[in-house]
Amino acid sequence: QSLLTQPPSASGTPGQRVTLSCSGSSSNLGIYTVNWYQQLPRTAPKLLIYDDSERPSGVPDRFSASKSGTSASLAISGLRSDDEADYYCASWDINLQGPVFGGGTRLTVL
Amino acid sequence: QVQLQESGPGLVQPSETPSLTCTVSGGSMTTYDWSWIRQPPGKGLEWLAYLYSRGNTHYNPSLRSRVSISIDTPNNQFSLKLTSVTAADTAMYYCVRVIRGPWRLDSWGPGTFVTVSS
Repeated sequence: QSLLTQPPSASGTPGQRVTLSCSGSSSNLGIYTVNWYQQLPRTAPKLLIYDDSERPSGVPDRFSASKSGTSASLAISGLRSDDEADYYCASWDINLQGPVFGGGTRLTVL
Repeated sequence: QVQLQESGPGLVQPSETPSLTCTVSGGSMTTYDWSWIRQPPGKGLEWLAYLYSRGNTHYNPSLRSRVSISIDTPNNQFSLKLTSVTAADTAMYYCVRVIRGPWRLDSWGPGTFVTVSS
């Protein structure tokens, strides 16, 4: 069982805005920043958001994120068919002394 | 632009001790942390091992006694060894570069799939 909790699935139509959630605890999200990763089919995960809300170079501003307390969210606006992927949240855990991941949310673009 | 490339045995027998290697190109190894993460088929991501830039290591407690990570800086490689494997270790294994301040897994290799089967 993952230390971070994500809904297993989400969906939206092209052009829509969708929000994905991630819930943690005082040992991870409560004290450390959250990262988000996008995993397209049959590829390695790719860093999408770091430091709660920062986008690496090359990530479009359609992707935005925030964190409050032990919960975080990733928003995707102007949804496109190529946004169809698995999205994972991740953080550091003080008890594990290592990275922890959510179980991932599979986003379907209808 | 750093690139990471995993290599591994592909198919291993139960109870064997496979070794996976990650070759790093386009960047220095000494100023970063490094990690191994795996993903069983159809499942999520699991952290396995962490190598700090100063050389100390840390492992996921669920695998601590079976996993080890090491670095070969002159050859720009780091490795993972997993002992006494079972079918539950069948997974895609990713090597990852870690940046601290703020922490993130910023570069991933494409992965190497390890199948444990007799």
